[in-house]
Amino acid sequence: AQKITQTQPGMFVQEKEAVTLDCTYDTSDQSYGLFWYKQPSSGEMIFLIYQGSYDEQNATEGRYSLNFQKARKSANLVISASQLGDSAMYFCAMRDNTGGFKTIFGAGTRLFVKA
Amino acid sequence: KAGVTQTPRYLIKTRGQQVTLSCSPISGHRSVSWYQQTPGQGLQFLFEYFSETQRNKGNFPGRFSGRQFSNSRSEMNVSTLELGDSALYLCASSPRLAGYEQYFGPGTRLTVT
Repeated sequence: AQKITQTQPGMFVQEKEAVTLDCTYDTSDQSYGLFWYKQPSSGEMIFLIYQGSYDEQNATEGRYSLNFQKARKSANLVISASQLGDSAMYFCAMRDNTGGFKTIFGAGTRLFVKA
Repeated sequence: KAGVTQTPRYLIKTRGQQVTLSCSPISGHRSVSWYQQTPGQGLQFLFEYFSETQRNKGNFPGRFSGRQFSNSRSEMNVSTLELGDSALYLCASSPRLAGYEQYFGPGTRLTVT
């Protein structure tokens, strides 16, 4: 069955340091996509980064990179040089074709960036 | 290019009533997906519409329904509201069906009393 697990309910990081948010997934499909979204207190979901299951290189988007380890079924988000504006909820998500293309989300990790 | 818009932003309804939420996707996007977000259940997929047809559906009762118009705008309807329907309802648009990149709107916060 499809499942996304985020084991860190909350994380603290010092401004300008890097932080890794963990995500593991489970799917029986060979073809799937993994995503990370940021949700500030305003509620809007902001797309950050995408990794396809067949992509050999780890995805990067500016200060965001996705550490994709297929054999371990993990897709951790790395934020480099944290900024105060990075404080938000972060959701890992997966989209595959199990029962039709649907996106499932993890429970989220709340990141607090300290000045 | 304008983003995804959702109306209304906030809504208070009474148990037993029905409600209709609206979502206007980014211009040119033909796929609209709806999600429910609650503190207890997190983010859950409701359904996806593409070219006026429902393509995928999550595990929600039949009280939750939707439709999409020829201009890709979508509406979601919840009938016979229950207290547990209180949630943030998010819609997301994508240029194509099952597209990996989804752009979310600001959400409609529904409170059922």
